[in-house]
Amino acid sequence: AQSVTQLDSQVPVFEEAPVELRCNYSSSVSVYLFWYVQYPNQGLQLLLKYLSGSTLVESINGFEAEFNKSQTSFHLRKPSVHISDTAEYFCAGTNSGGYQKVTFGTGTKLQVIP
Amino acid sequence: NAGVTQTPKFQVLKTGQSMTLQCAQDMNHNSMYWYRQDPGMGLRLIYYSASEGTTDKGEVPNGYNVSRLNKREFSLRLESAAPSQTSVYFCASSGFGTEHNYGYTFGSGTRLTVV
Repeated sequence: AQSVTQLDSQVPVFEEAPVELRCNYSSSVSVYLFWYVQYPNQGLQLLLKYLSGSTLVESINGFEAEFNKSQTSFHLRKPSVHISDTAEYFCAGTNSGGYQKVTFGTGTKLQVIP
Repeated sequence: NAGVTQTPKFQVLKTGQSMTLQCAQDMNHNSMYWYRQDPGMGLRLIYYSASEGTTDKGEVPNGYNVSRLNKREFSLRLESAAPSQTSVYFCASSGFGTEHNYGYTFGSGTRLTVV
């Protein structure tokens, strides 16, 4: 069965410190991987995606994620977080090349402490 | 602005009442989805529609029905609401066929409370 595992339900971090949000996937969802962000009282927004090619993908607001096939991981990182990064982050994956049916992780709440 | 529109944003129902959540997208996406989000459980797929004219059950379909009215609209109906259906409901859509279409576009959600 497809599965995406987010190992941490909450991650507190001080402002301007680095952060890593962990995500592991089962081999059946290894084709396409995503990170979504959900700000309070809003819907989910696509943050970045890995489809093929370079294993390091970046977002416009400084986050990056690296596809690691040997470790079946797609961890999300940022070298220096801001208060505005406080949100819940969801890792997701699908093994479908055409029609998509995405499997979501249970989410990690990032709390940035001033 | 292009995107996914959900209505209503908030709703309180009494046990046994029925209601329909509406969802419309203007991105010409083929696929549409309904999820529910509960604390600690992430997003769980209720129903999806891979293309106009088709619908299929997801992970938690019991107590719900859906209608893909046309390519733009995908509604979710609760026939007899139960307190266990208290949740935040999200509609999403996706296209396929070209690389930049991968990924979902989500609506802003409907917060439903059943008392």
